[in-house]
Amino acid sequence: NAGVTQTPKFQVLKTGQSMTLQCAQDMNHEYMSWYRQDPGMGLRLIHYSVGAGITDQGEVPNGYNVSRSTTEDFPLRLLSAAPSQTSVYFCASSYDLRGYNEQFFGPGTRLTVL
Amino acid sequence: DAKTTQPTSMDCAEGRAANLPCNHSTISGNEYVYWYRQIHSQGPQYIIHGLKNNETNEMASLIITEDRKSSTLILPHATLRDTAVYYCIVGGNQGGKLIFGQGTELSVKP
Repeated sequence: NAGVTQTPKFQVLKTGQSMTLQCAQDMNHEYMSWYRQDPGMGLRLIHYSVGAGITDQGEVPNGYNVSRSTTEDFPLRLLSAAPSQTSVYFCASSYDLRGYNEQFFGPGTRLTVL
Repeated sequence: DAKTTQPTSMDCAEGRAANLPCNHSTISGNEYVYWYRQIHSQGPQYIIHGLKNNETNEMASLIITEDRKSSTLILPHATLRDTAVYYCIVGGNQGGKLIFGQGTELSVKP
């Protein structure tokens, strides 16, 4: 299994540009999430999904869109990039195992918005 | 989801036990205590979780107080590779929704 994969690893955008961060998992996990991590800070939840076709907002959803058309993929779209969105983005997946879930994280996408 | 309070940083000598405390006084009855760690800039890694009882696995032990308002993660023989930020998180089984705090930066020193 490849686990959780994220592309690209690095990206530089100009203010106002849009882009999609890709996340895929091959573990047949129900749950997927997107987090951002700013320098010296903990992770903040952007959006999450409990299954295909179902998404919900996390702590900091503004400026981001998600969709979940398949179990495997959970792309994150930046609609109009702003310098405040410069961050490291982590995708995670998990499944409900006896009432709790252990999240598996991808390697991250490092995004700079100029 | 309940919030947690952890010390900002801790030091530990290599080979000694590292005891990382966490307060979660507003935890509700069906919420688990999870511990994750993040080494340098990698994605976080799951360590252990518990509900009421103490738990042990190959990485660590988790001690939860009887009133469940606090817990301690124990790394029995810390190595230099255990230097990382350790996050204590409380949450239910609602998939995908873990709220991270600031964590404890553990430095293991020779």
